[in-house]
Amino acid sequence: DAGVIQSPRHEVTEMGQEVTLRCKPISGHNSLFWYRQTMMRGLELLIYFNNNVPIDDSGMPEDRFSAKMPNASFSTLKIQPSEPRDSAVYFCASRASGRRSFFGPGTRLTVL
Amino acid sequence: DAKTTQPPSMDCAEGRAANLPCNHSTISGNEYVYWYRQIHSQGPQYIIHGLKNNETNEMASLIITEDRKSSTLILPHATLRDTAVYYCIVRVVDSGGSNYKLTFGKGTLLTVNP
Repeated sequence: DAGVIQSPRHEVTEMGQEVTLRCKPISGHNSLFWYRQTMMRGLELLIYFNNNVPIDDSGMPEDRFSAKMPNASFSTLKIQPSEPRDSAVYFCASRASGRRSFFGPGTRLTVL
Repeated sequence: DAKTTQPPSMDCAEGRAANLPCNHSTISGNEYVYWYRQIHSQGPQYIIHGLKNNETNEMASLIITEDRKSSTLILPHATLRDTAVYYCIVRVVDSGGSNYKLTFGKGTLLTVNP
């Protein structure tokens, strides 16, 4: 089992650019979560999907952030336009119904 | 959401038991207590969870008080690789009952010393 796969692992971009983070959940898992971690705010839940449908996006900071899950094996988190305060580690996690969550290795985003 | 309170940091000697406390005095009867840990720069890792009974697995033991207002995670023989931030989380079930999310607090930084 490859676990949750995230790409890229590191991203450095300039302010104003579009950033797309990608996540492949564990096969068979029907829930997917996007988290953001910073020193100041800790680990924050941004959005989660169940059976590819967004269930709770109350943690999405603002309209610059959007997330999609076009199928059960792929999700994206997009930031457009990016700002320096978006610099953080972004984690994707997946879970089968009623089971524990598995986290990916994270994408470290730096916006200059 | 039921809140949790954990000490910000703890130290433990290698080979000794590490006992990490967590207060969750507003927990509801159907809410589970979950423990995750995060080793530096890695994604959080599941450790154990429980409802009202004590639980044990290959990683740790979870002791939940009878009134469920607090719990303790026990690592029986801590090693240097157990140095991490440990998160105690109350699992919040949404109104539909079938979905739930994990909300992380600040956790406890456990440092295992040689």
